[in-house]
Amino acid sequence: GESVGLHLPTLSVQEGDNSIINCAYSNSASDYFIWYKQESGKGPQFIIDIRSNMDKRQGQRVTVLLNKTVKHLSLQIAATQPGDSAVYFCAESYHTDKLIFGTGTRLQVFP
Amino acid sequence: NAGVTQTPKFRVLKTGQSMTLLCAQDMNHEYMYWYRQDPGMGLRLIHYSVGEGTTAKGEVPDGYNVSRLKKQNFLLGLESAAPSQTSVYFCASGHLRPGGVNQPQHFGDGTRLSIL
Repeated sequence: GESVGLHLPTLSVQEGDNSIINCAYSNSASDYFIWYKQESGKGPQFIIDIRSNMDKRQGQRVTVLLNKTVKHLSLQIAATQPGDSAVYFCAESYHTDKLIFGTGTRLQVFP
Repeated sequence: NAGVTQTPKFRVLKTGQSMTLLCAQDMNHEYMYWYRQDPGMGLRLIHYSVGEGTTAKGEVPDGYNVSRLKKQNFLLGLESAAPSQTSVYFCASGHLRPGGVNQPQHFGDGTRLSIL
């Protein structure tokens, strides 16, 4: 089976509830942030991104919030569905095209 | 539109053997990347390329080599495989940054490599 994701922090939510996944980033100079979703056996899939000149950005059922004061990024998923179960990664970039990834959070959705 | 395609999907090697992982993208992206992903860790950048004929080292380049002879292909080579290189390898591609603005990277589904 898929070994990636062992010992990850896990968020368990009930289907239909809202989910909030948090991420602390490391570099106060980072100017670009991105969230990826990774399902078992698959590559990371782009969800949403945000630039440092913004505090909030919304997509379909997802919202990313950026708090530069405390170097914190969050991903909110509205009306969580079973298909949202996956590992979620945040990543940051500072003035380059290279991304620095966090270790990930596993989201488990139960009925 | 296939996006980013990685071959092979699985491989088992013996210590000391060599192999090449192939990544192909059909999105005309300038940038291509190779990452490795280990249990409990995020993706770590091995090497990357900002265009045909150019490569650069990432965070964990030791033991790997790369080549970008064609814009659409990015090859990752292991000259003498070691058990520490057992991992899942992901390739990604992305656009140039017009005006210095980042664009998302697009990933393949990975190559699962075991070194015995």
